[in-house]
Amino acid sequence: GEDVEQSLFLSVREGDSSVINCTYTDSSSTYLYWYKQEPGAGLQLLTYIFSNMDMKQDQRLTVLLNKKDKHLSLRIADTQTGDSAIYFCAERAGSARQLTFGSGTQLTVLP
Amino acid sequence: ETGVTQSPTHLIKTRGQQVTLRCSSQSGHNTVSWYQQALGQGPQFIFQYYREEENGRGNFPPRFSGLQFPNYSSELNVNALELDDSALYLCASSSPSGNYEQYFGPGTRLTVT
Repeated sequence: GEDVEQSLFLSVREGDSSVINCTYTDSSSTYLYWYKQEPGAGLQLLTYIFSNMDMKQDQRLTVLLNKKDKHLSLRIADTQTGDSAIYFCAERAGSARQLTFGSGTQLTVLP
Repeated sequence: ETGVTQSPTHLIKTRGQQVTLRCSSQSGHNTVSWYQQALGQGPQFIFQYYREEENGRGNFPPRFSGLQFPNYSSELNVNALELDDSALYLCASSSPSGNYEQYFGPGTRLTVT
């Protein structure tokens, strides 16, 4: 079955880079996504990567995909206090309709 | 362009009651998915609607049902509410012609007492 795992917490200093990691089990994953959730809010789509890519950069965000190890990471450069939130990794497997989410990583940015 | 909207924002119900949650999809999107997010967890897929028909369902009992209307808005109905149904209910819309990105609304916080 599908399973997506993330570490629960990450703390970084303002201005440093943050790296949030995710592993998944379904080898038929076609798209992998990163969402951000601020307190009391819905999910904001940050970026996504197609499974035939190994890297995607979008301003301060860099996504790396290691398909062999089924490992996905999100790097946030020059992390700011406004980046403090919960970050979810999600996969879409094959022709599935739904996204399967991890439990989220709480990113805390310290001044 | 209008984003995904949901109503109501918050709702308190008693165990055994029924509830209806509403969602308006983003302009141009004809597919709506519903997710349940329990406290401290990631969203869990309930079901998806495309062209007014259920187009996929997660591991939720039949007392969770839905509708999609010709304008692509959608409803989630939950009968015989249980305490464990307390959660944030998220609606997401998407366009089949895109890269399957799902855009989420702000959610409805349901509390069952």
